[in-house]
Amino acid sequence: RKEVEQDPGPFNVPEGATVAFNCTYSNSASQSFFWYRQDCRKEPKLLMSVYSSGNEDGRFTAQLNRASQYISLLIRDSKLSDSATYLCVVGGSSNTGKLIFGQGTTLQVKP
Amino acid sequence: DAGVTQSPTHLIKTRGQQVTLRCSPKSGHDTVSWYQQALGQGPQFIFQYYEEEERQRGNFPDRFSGHQFPNYSSELNVNALLLGDSALYLCASSPDVRGSTDTQYFGPGTRLTVL
Repeated sequence: RKEVEQDPGPFNVPEGATVAFNCTYSNSASQSFFWYRQDCRKEPKLLMSVYSSGNEDGRFTAQLNRASQYISLLIRDSKLSDSATYLCVVGGSSNTGKLIFGQGTTLQVKP
Repeated sequence: DAGVTQSPTHLIKTRGQQVTLRCSPKSGHDTVSWYQQALGQGPQFIFQYYEEEERQRGNFPDRFSGHQFPNYSSELNVNALLLGDSALYLCASSPDVRGSTDTQYFGPGTRLTVL
């Protein structure tokens, strides 16, 4: 079983749609959680950190369920510029500094 | 404020050769991590350097080695290159906050092709 699992997609949605990505992780001792965005042939860029209380940044909402070891990302009112690969990322246990990435979920927003 | 920089941008090598990739961390960051990203996959952790020492290592063979310099910049060396080493190599920097997994910022990467 992979340490971090994501549906690779692709998700093809029209502009203005709401889309949700999910991710599960295997290590219950993990202590930090992130969503990164990666454009084609570019480096990953931090989209947002994820907290148990949930957090929102404009059109983006992230949620963490520690009991189910499940992380989600919701994008509302999708824009063409949201087209990218979204990487679910889990920090190692015991504050080790290692990041564990999922395979990534590809989103294509169409006009 | 310069972000993470990496050199070279692209590199083509043949099997059996050796390669050195370089990384300069973001200003104020003292921890450098290296990742390998194969096509269609998420990045995989190679190792992390702090205070010029390898602090943690992922599941990569000894052919992968690194170094951190007093100015916090870092090198990744790969010996005896294999075709499967072809990938995007990403460097990430972060401040060391008592060893915690703080947010890591990535450089643009070096795309290595092994023929």
